[in-house]
Amino acid sequence: GESVGLHLPTLSVQEGDNSIINCAYSNSASDYFIWYKQESGKGPQFIIDIRSNMDKRQGQRVTVLLNKTVKHLSLQIAATQPGDSAVYFCAENSYSSNTGKLIFGQGTTLQVKP
Amino acid sequence: EAGVAQSPRYKIIEKRQSVAFWCNPISGHATLYWYQQILGQGPKLLIQFQNNGVVDDSQLPKDRFSAERLKGVDSTLKIQPAKLEDSAVYLCASSLKQGRHAFFGQGTRLTVV
Repeated sequence: GESVGLHLPTLSVQEGDNSIINCAYSNSASDYFIWYKQESGKGPQFIIDIRSNMDKRQGQRVTVLLNKTVKHLSLQIAATQPGDSAVYFCAENSYSSNTGKLIFGQGTTLQVKP
Repeated sequence: EAGVAQSPRYKIIEKRQSVAFWCNPISGHATLYWYQQILGQGPKLLIQFQNNGVVDDSQLPKDRFSAERLKGVDSTLKIQPAKLEDSAVYLCASSLKQGRHAFFGQGTRLTVV
């Protein structure tokens, strides 16, 4: 069945360091992947997305890498700041399907130490 | 642009009671989702609408949960009767169309006692 999972439940980094959050997916039919950030008491917030015809996409301080061969997705955050502390979820969808469902993984908690 | 609006923000009910949640999606968004998020877990998709039609409700416990999307805009999610295990945050999200990233509301935190 479909599943999107994360490798590590908690990641602790020093302020100013780079963070890497990983995600594995199992549905080969998924062609669209999204990273969300969720702060306490709030709904998930869109960070960055990538379609399967790309290997890498960059945003402001964030980069998403997609390895379709091993069904792996990662989120890199440069110069991590205290405001980056949150739970990060990867999600998958089908960009080209009329019945695409947005499916979430379990999440990784990012803790930034000052 | 106004975001996804949800109400109420918090609700405490006794088991076997009923409860309803309301969602107003972003204007023009055809796709609307309801998710259940249990503490410490990722959001679980309960039901997905495309305009006022149901695209997927395979994870919706239909013996107690129901949802509708009136005129393809606002939506309500109802639980009747509630069980203790229904305690969770219920998130509503919308997207311009299927297969795109969704925008989320702040959620309704339900506690069943």
